[in-house]
Amino acid sequence: GAVVSQHPSRVICKSGTSVKIECRSLDFQATTMFWYRQFPKQSLMLMATSNEGSKATYEQGVEKDKFLINHASLTLSTLTVTSAHPEDSSFYICSARDLTRETHIQYFGAGTRLSVL
Amino acid sequence: AQSVAQPEDQVNVAEGNPLTVKCTYSVSGNPYLFWYVQYPNRGLQFLLKYITGDNLVKGSYGFEAEFNKSQTSFHLKKPSALVSDSALYFCAVRPLNRDDKIIFGKGTRLHILP
Repeated sequence: GAVVSQHPSRVICKSGTSVKIECRSLDFQATTMFWYRQFPKQSLMLMATSNEGSKATYEQGVEKDKFLINHASLTLSTLTVTSAHPEDSSFYICSARDLTRETHIQYFGAGTRLSVL
Repeated sequence: AQSVAQPEDQVNVAEGNPLTVKCTYSVSGNPYLFWYVQYPNRGLQFLLKYITGDNLVKGSYGFEAEFNKSQTSFHLKKPSALVSDSALYFCAVRPLNRDDKIIFGKGTRLHILP
């Protein structure tokens, strides 16, 4: 299947700093990527849909100024958690679709575990 | 509201026995249905999908799932469990009127006992 790379896998930061997470489609172009947040023992919550060359579409209740998304190319989307606080600690996962193959399947990155001290 | 239900937080099965992980959904129309598996500190891996056609779909690692329209269910099954099947399993639904968005169940942790 298609490969999605997410970096870093784990990050620990101080409260008030910003953290950038990268999501790359390695062997396909992704016009649309998705960012999820997963709390312990809970399901994935869609945060936003990242669209190449345009603004991201955020889900209700997700602060767009807090979670900045940039999709500058067909293979890269970034999520920046600005002024991170302990409540932002979570597991963040990105996904993408390969429109040249199976359009209904989302391929997921390995996730980023963010710990804010 | 559209939703996906996985009624069991955890399922324990002895190795070699058949396993079933349950999933029901509440979505209008005929959605696309998926199963994903997640290993510790990893992203989700696609297992199988139902779009249309035969109600029994086969996927990766010997898993299969049966679509039941009348019961709005899509249970995941495997005839003979392996210890390596131990993981977190998510059922997911893509309603046809929600563009690309997928609704995930809360997940079921599967423990295969040696």
